[in-house]
Amino acid sequence: NAGVTQTPKFQVLKTGQSMTLQCAQDMNHNSMYWYRQDPGMGLRLIYYSASEGTTDKGEVPNGYNVSRLNKREFSLRLESAAPSQTSVYFCASSLAKTALGETQYFGPGTRLLVL
Amino acid sequence: AQSVAQPEDQVNVAEGNPLTVKCTYSVSGNPYLFWYVQYPNRGLQFLLKYITGDNLVKGSYGFEAEFNKSQTSFHLKKPSALVSDSALYFCAVRVLSGGYQKVTFGTGTKLQVIP
Repeated sequence: NAGVTQTPKFQVLKTGQSMTLQCAQDMNHNSMYWYRQDPGMGLRLIYYSASEGTTDKGEVPNGYNVSRLNKREFSLRLESAAPSQTSVYFCASSLAKTALGETQYFGPGTRLLVL
Repeated sequence: AQSVAQPEDQVNVAEGNPLTVKCTYSVSGNPYLFWYVQYPNRGLQFLLKYITGDNLVKGSYGFEAEFNKSQTSFHLKKPSALVSDSALYFCAVRVLSGGYQKVTFGTGTKLQVIP
């Protein structure tokens, strides 16, 4: 049981390049989330998927797209990377679709540097 | 708009002494409050949560937190700090707003336990 896995662990991009961050969970969770973590700003929600086939914008969705490929996988795409997207990206999952009390389980993170 | 405040960027405590990491929140509905811990180069790990019921919540690794509705606080506490408790701690609040979950994390407090 690996929990939440993310690939890659580290990536360097040039401005304007595109890339997809991959996330998978093996806990049969319904909900999945993408956050970015920046110094002094905590974690900010980019997008989330309450269940397979649905996605919703979070606090900072601009410049990102997501795909809930199936119940296990939730990818985050940067179509045209900008230096402001330099951050650490965390994927998370939780069991319930809408229960607010559900615990989130986090992946190890992807460090992205955009030059 | 909901918000979470962690007023201290860093807390230093001697090993064996009690520790407190502060968190206050502002929400319009009923808050679901969480504490997470992050070790270097790792994702966030769940410590404890308050949903309803007893205001004193006990969690992992000997941590506990007290929900105080009148002061809108959810401070994290531990009776006797360990060096291994040194990490970054995040408070988070989740509410239902307009049919959607809204998740807000604090900016984090670095706990340094001094041997």
